[in-house]
Amino acid sequence: EVQLVESGGGLVQPGGSLRLSCGVSGLIFSRFWMTWVRQAPGKGLEWVANIKYDGSEENYVDSVKGRFTISRDNAKNSLYLQMNNLGVEDTAVYYCAMTTMVTLDKWGQGTQVTVSS
Amino acid sequence: IVMTQSPDSLTVSLGERATINCKSSNSLLYNSNNKNYLAWYQQKPGQPPKLLIYWASTRESGVPDRFSGSGSETDFTLTISSLQAEDVALYYCLQYFGTIKTFGQGTKLEIE
Repeated sequence: EVQLVESGGGLVQPGGSLRLSCGVSGLIFSRFWMTWVRQAPGKGLEWVANIKYDGSEENYVDSVKGRFTISRDNAKNSLYLQMNNLGVEDTAVYYCAMTTMVTLDKWGQGTQVTVSS
Repeated sequence: IVMTQSPDSLTVSLGERATINCKSSNSLLYNSNNKNYLAWYQQKPGQPPKLLIYWASTRESGVPDRFSGSGSETDFTLTISSLQAEDVALYYCLQYFGTIKTFGQGTKLEIE
């Protein structure tokens, strides 16, 4: 069974940093694109960033470009999201998701990030 | 690419048809393979999204056949042919044509 488990969320002050992790099991992690998607309280889904299976390509939504960095460690079956200079607008549940066939078809349960003073 | 769903919310009686629309600011049809890069997701409270439809009309394995997708280029529709109680959820379209993917704003489906 494929499992994605996010961790690293929490409460952080504006301007602070946080690093999210996503551990993947049940398939060959290094073969698949990985993505972070977030959902602010009571709001819709927002695609944040993705990374190619070998880490050679990264893409970001404009609102996080220059502040967030997506990365992966295929030896550890893990995906990361380094988030710097956080603002209240970054408060959300952050999901990691993967594309095993066509598009995002496997999802974790999410981790809550709250940016507040 | 901007994705706009309509309506924002929808109330339908059990057993009736529900229709959700999704409009893209750019064509999602890739001419080289004649596929529309559009997916539909269902999200229930406290859960991650679940993939229902991809390539605009292909049902994900295990998804009931009352769910169907249609449309091409910029206009797409998700139809639930006979609404069941367990279909109460938020529904999102997603375009995966562009390098940056984008979701619609979501449609809340409720039972009358």
